[in-house]
Amino acid sequence: GAVVSQHPSRVICKSGTSVKIECRSLDFQATTMFWYRQFPKKSLMLMATSNEGSKATYEQGVEKDKFLINHASLTLSTLTVTSAHPEDSSFYICSATRGVKEKLFFGSGTQLSVL
Amino acid sequence: QKEVEQNSGPLSVPEGAIASLNCTYSDRGSQSFFWYRQYSGKSPELIMSIYSNGDKEDGRFTAQLNKASQYVSLLIRDSQPSDSATYLCAVPNNNDMRFGAGTRLTVKP
Repeated sequence: GAVVSQHPSRVICKSGTSVKIECRSLDFQATTMFWYRQFPKKSLMLMATSNEGSKATYEQGVEKDKFLINHASLTLSTLTVTSAHPEDSSFYICSATRGVKEKLFFGSGTQLSVL
Repeated sequence: QKEVEQNSGPLSVPEGAIASLNCTYSDRGSQSFFWYRQYSGKSPELIMSIYSNGDKEDGRFTAQLNKASQYVSLLIRDSQPSDSATYLCAVPNNNDMRFGAGTRLTVKP
């Protein structure tokens, strides 16, 4: 199966700092990448859809100025959590797909803890 | 109505039993369906995909699809404690994938 690499796997930061999370598709070109967040024992919540070379499409209620998404190439998308606060602590997961309505391949996730 | 609905469980079965996980979806035009398994603290991994009505078997897993009833299920035969996880039903929706809330399965030794 296709491989999606996500790092860091775990990050602890101070309140007010920014954190960047990278998501790479290692062996295929991802036309679309998705960013999710997940709270303990809750389901995945789609934050935004990212297409290479264009602005990300954010889900309702997700602050685009706080969660900056850049999709610079067909193999790399980044999520930057700006001015992080404790309520931003969560498990962030990226996924990538070769095409619309095709299966998703997930990164290993990033556990963010904001002190 | 949610786009993809699952019974959140928890579902508990004894080792060796059949675990049955169910999912309904709202978009009658959906053509592809996926089951993902997610262990606690890990990201989801794809275990089954199904596109046609009927059953699709892969080892101990069987996916069942009934488009008329807008229903897709996952059966796990000879359940093992290592199958204990949350199982997510997923259905593509335009440009993204919609997930159910997930069913938490516990297989007791």
